Amino acid sequence: SAVISQKPSRDICQRGTSLTIQCQVDSQVTMMFWYRQQPGQSLTLIATANQGSEATYESGFVIDKFPISRPNLTFSTLTVSNMSPEDSSIYLCSVGQAQETQYFGPGTRLLVL
Amino acid sequence: AQSVTQLGSHVSVSEGALVLLRCNYSSSVPPYLFWYVQYPNQGLQLLLKYTSAATLVKGINGFEAEFKKSETSFHLTKPSAHMSDAAEYFCAVSDNAGNNRKLIWGLGTSLAVNP
Repeated sequence: SAVISQKPSRDICQRGTSLTIQCQVDSQVTMMFWYRQQPGQSLTLIATANQGSEATYESGFVIDKFPISRPNLTFSTLTVSNMSPEDSSIYLCSVGQAQETQYFGPGTRLLVL
Repeated sequence: AQSVTQLGSHVSVSEGALVLLRCNYSSSVPPYLFWYVQYPNQGLQLLLKYTSAATLVKGINGFEAEFKKSETSFHLTKPSAHMSDAAEYFCAVSDNAGNNRKLIWGLGTSLAVNP
């Protein structure tokens, strides 16, 4: 298993601003994933972050809105850009092999006013 | 396309009673199936998974689930609920074909345990 931490744990932001969420893993992992968990909805995969290459985004998510960095095998950031109230959600970082057994961070709870 | 249906967004049981959380899936190939639990203000934690071995899978905290291909189901059970079981439970499916396997998630079931 892996121990994953996220910063910040929660934040309240004004619309039009950007927030960068950090994800730190206690061991080196190949694949890291970013999810969004909106109230009353299922988890939605935003993108897969691979070290040394650009992130792979899922349908409906674009790099300009959710830029991702993966500078090494233990760290990744997700930025939520030009935020609107619709971006209010829980953002989760996870690690795992080919999206099978996943280990999740505690999440970042974002409220956009 | 794969999909996961969790019947009942909210389930309430009494402490000591049987817990049954339902999950049905659709998949064109034999799937991998997962149950995750999310306690309040925490991330998701794997409860158990089915990967084409034994159809009855035992997980942590006394939970188990049975894969029934004929019913395309993977229901989660626990014989006796404990107050600490109150949480959100998610069922997920991943097909085991190809290199781009993804997890498809159900909407979740919120379990309340009453004293």
